[in-house]
Amino acid sequence: AQSVTQPDIHITVSEGASLELRCNYSYGATPYLFWYVQSPGQGLQLLLKYFSGDTLVQGIKGFEAEFKRSQSSFNLRKPSVHWSDAAEYFCAVGGSSASKIIFGSGTRLSIRP
Amino acid sequence: SAVISQKPSRDICQRGTSLTIQCQVDSQVTMMFWYRQQPGQSLTLIATANQGSEATYESGFVIDKFPISRPNLTFSTLTVSNMSPEDSSIYLCSVEDGPNYGYTFGSGTRLTVV
Repeated sequence: AQSVTQPDIHITVSEGASLELRCNYSYGATPYLFWYVQSPGQGLQLLLKYFSGDTLVQGIKGFEAEFKRSQSSFNLRKPSVHWSDAAEYFCAVGGSSASKIIFGSGTRLSIRP
Repeated sequence: SAVISQKPSRDICQRGTSLTIQCQVDSQVTMMFWYRQQPGQSLTLIATANQGSEATYESGFVIDKFPISRPNLTFSTLTVSNMSPEDSSIYLCSVEDGPNYGYTFGSGTRLTVV
C-alpha cells in the first residue's frame, strides 16, 4: 500500500533563510510524487511534481524537490523563503496516470520576520 | 489545466440531514476523486469515481454514508448522508489533469453540521 510520511509537523524559519521540508514515501513501483501548498482558507495549489526523468524537479515560486529512490524521499527545498510562503505543505504519492494519490499529514511553515 | 467548479462552497446543516456536493469539470476526465479534510488535518481519500461503474471506496468509508454518482465524464456528486457534527469538514473533488498539470482540485465545500 502506498503511504507518505512528513515527519515535521511545524517548522519556523527566518525570512530569507533556506528551507527544506522532508517527505518519505512507500510505494511498490516507481511513484508519481507531488508537493502541494495550501494557504489559510485557500485551495490546494500544485508546486511541483515528479513523474520520471531528471530527479531534480523545479516548481513554481522558486521551489525545487529532489527524488531519491534509494532513500524513498522527495524533499522540498527553497533557497530563500519569503513571508508569503507561510502555509501548509503537503507531499503526495501516486502510481500510474489517473490513479489515486495519497497525502502526507502536512507540514505547517511559519516565517519569522 | 482543467477548471473545476464545486458547489456549494459552504453550508451549515442540521444533524440527521443530507447534503449533496456537486463537482463539474470543464473537460472530460476518466477518474474523479473525492477527499475529506477534517479541521487542521490532511486530505483523506474517500472514493474514486469512474464513469459508468460503482465508485471505489477507501477503508473507513462506505457507500451508504457517502453515495457518489458519476453520470458522465464531466460531472460527479458526493452526498454526505445522515450527518453528524463529526462530518464537519472540507470536501474536495479532484481530477488527474494530464502529465503537465498533475492533479487539480476544486475549491472545496466547507461543511458545518450543527
